[in-house]
Amino acid sequence: EAQVTQNPRYLITVTGKKLTVTCSQNMNHEYMSWYRQDPGLGLRQIYYSMNVEVTDKGDVPEGYKVSRKEKRNFPLILESPSPNQTSLYFCASTVSGRASYEQYFGPGTRLTVT
Amino acid sequence: GNSVTQMEGPVTLSEEAFLTINCTYTATGYPSLFWYVQYPGEGLQLLLKATKADDKGSNKGFEATYRKETTSFHLEKGSVQVSDSAVYFCALKPYNTNAGKSTFGDGTTLTVKP
Repeated sequence: EAQVTQNPRYLITVTGKKLTVTCSQNMNHEYMSWYRQDPGLGLRQIYYSMNVEVTDKGDVPEGYKVSRKEKRNFPLILESPSPNQTSLYFCASTVSGRASYEQYFGPGTRLTVT
Repeated sequence: GNSVTQMEGPVTLSEEAFLTINCTYTATGYPSLFWYVQYPGEGLQLLLKATKADDKGSNKGFEATYRKETTSFHLEKGSVQVSDSAVYFCALKPYNTNAGKSTFGDGTTLTVKP
């Protein structure tokens, strides 16, 4: 089954404690992306990756890091989480270079930073 | 830059009512346009799409027509059901070398009451 998986689904942590949210897709997509969803603000892109070792900032990259060492994986790293990073996070993937292809989303990770 | 403006919500309708959620966009060239739906507790999934002017996307009784002259992609359904209660996102992907990057609207929450 074609899918995007994220782990963990729920995470409660404390300010300053480094964490990683994993994302994996099995569709051989070149393009992967991280979004955060906040009430009243819709979906905002954090980082995206066009292919292995190629990443770029989205609209709200501050406080986040990413890496793309393998095509299927695109982890999101919060090196020193703060309460304003409490949010619902989605990973997505799609075929690169084709505007007609939709994105496939993971189920989401709800992060709470206290 | 690119932008998507959606009708503000929340929208509350009675079962079998007619639904319209407005979406207008700003983009250069000929982007592809999408509607995604997010059911409670889930990630986003594609509802329908249109990739060129005058195309009509349709799925599950929902329709939207790509109107280049008015830069719009309004979502409609003739008779909503309680199961249509969800958040609806309008989105575009530009037709250029960075075609993986999407721009989303803020989302419109629909509640359908029996």
